[in-house]
Amino acid sequence: DTGVSQNPRHKITKRGQNVTFRCDPISEHNRLYWYRQTLGQGPEFLTYFQNEAQLEKSRLLSDRFSAERPKGSFSTLEIQRTEQGDSAMYLCASSQSGVGYEQYFGPGTRLTVT
Amino acid sequence: SQQGEEDPQALSIQEGENATMNCSYKTSINNLQWYRQNSGRGLVHLILIRSNEREKHSGRLRVTLDTSKKSSSLLITASRAADTASYFCATTIGGNNRLAFGKGNQVVVIP
Repeated sequence: DTGVSQNPRHKITKRGQNVTFRCDPISEHNRLYWYRQTLGQGPEFLTYFQNEAQLEKSRLLSDRFSAERPKGSFSTLEIQRTEQGDSAMYLCASSQSGVGYEQYFGPGTRLTVT
Repeated sequence: SQQGEEDPQALSIQEGENATMNCSYKTSINNLQWYRQNSGRGLVHLILIRSNEREKHSGRLRVTLDTSKKSSSLLITASRAADTASYFCATTIGGNNRLAFGKGNQVVVIP
């Protein structure tokens, strides 16, 4: 069990560019979550997958954001036409299905939009 | 929107002392979890307490839950320098198990 991994760990991009992040969950976990965390705040839920199905999206997830989990394993989060307000830490977590299972978080991808 | 709110926001204690943090939430929950975050290890799950439980222990951690007051507390006993971190409470509502985090407590343990 290697834990949840995320790549890249850091991304600096210019406003207007597109960026894509990848998350590899723990292999036996069929739930995958994306959160966003800004400085001094707790993480905020963005979206989650049960296997390959995206079952819920937060209102924080504007049309510029899209997430996929094509084979029910790794997931990607793409931000199009980045804005300075998108600068944050993007966290991925995975868990088993059902209520009450803990989520295991990856180290996050820190995005800086200049 | 943030579900939980921790109090106090920042705490500085001497090694060996106990640290207590509180968290309040607004809606009915399935369970409440506490996480720790530091720059070295990211966000790490500490303990989960279900809505029908009142107290839970794990090592040096003690969590209480009062659903009538919609509040929880986390006690760290005999603190160590390695406990220096931000501590977040998070609630889950509904079957998707998504977490709603508070703003966090910054705890500094002075050796």
